[in-house]
Amino acid sequence: KQEVTQIPAALSVPEGENLVLNCSFTDSAIYNLQWFRQDPGKGLTSLLLIQSSQREQTSGRLNASLDKSSGRSTLYIAASQPGDSATYLCAVPYGGATNKLIFGTGTLLAVQP
Amino acid sequence: NAGVTQTPKFQVLKTGQSMTLQCAQDMNHEYMSWYRQDPGMGLRLIHYSVGAGITDQGEVPNGYNVSRSTTEDFPLRLLSAAPSQTSVYFCASSYMNAGELFFGEGSRLTVL
Repeated sequence: KQEVTQIPAALSVPEGENLVLNCSFTDSAIYNLQWFRQDPGKGLTSLLLIQSSQREQTSGRLNASLDKSSGRSTLYIAASQPGDSATYLCAVPYGGATNKLIFGTGTLLAVQP
Repeated sequence: NAGVTQTPKFQVLKTGQSMTLQCAQDMNHEYMSWYRQDPGMGLRLIHYSVGAGITDQGEVPNGYNVSRSTTEDFPLRLLSAAPSQTSVYFCASSYMNAGELFFGEGSRLTVL
C-alpha cells in the first residue's frame, strides 16, 4: 500500500532563506506527484504537478524535483517571504493515471520577517 | 468564475442526524472527489466520480453516500452522523484524469 511521508512536520526560517521541503513515497510506480499549498482555514491550491517522466518542474520561486527510484520529491523555495507561510502537502495517485490521491500530512512552514 | 463552491462552511449536528454537504463547480470538470482532513492523518479520499452517473468509493466511504446527476454538482450525504465524522470536508475537481486538482474552501462539520 502506498504511503506518503513529509518530514519535518513543521519548519521555521527567517525571511530570505532558501529552503527545501521533503516528500517520500513507498511505491515508486507513481504516475505523477503534486505539491499543494494550504493556508489556515482554506482549501488547497495546486502549486506544481510533476509527471513521472520529468525530473523537475519550476514555477517562479518554486522548484519541484522527483526521483522515482529513491521514492523522493523535494520542493525548493527560493528567497522565502512571510507570504510563503502555509502548510505544504504532496500527493500521489493511488495507482496509475487517476485523480484519486494519497496525501502526505504536510509541512507547516513559518517564514519569520 | 467561482471555481469549486462548497456549502455550508460550518455545520453542527447531533449524533444520528443526517445532512448533505453541497459541492458545485463551474469549470465543466468531469472528475470530482470528496476528501476529509483530520489532524495528524492528512486528507483521505471518501468518494470519487469520473462523470455524471459514475461514482466510486475511496479509502473511507463508510457512512457517506454520493450521487452525480449533473457534471456541475457532487453532493456528499451523511446518513446518520457520528462523532467520528467530525472533520473538515473538501471537494475537488479536475479537467482531466491525473490532472491538476482544484479544491473548494472546505466545510467544517462537528458532530456532538
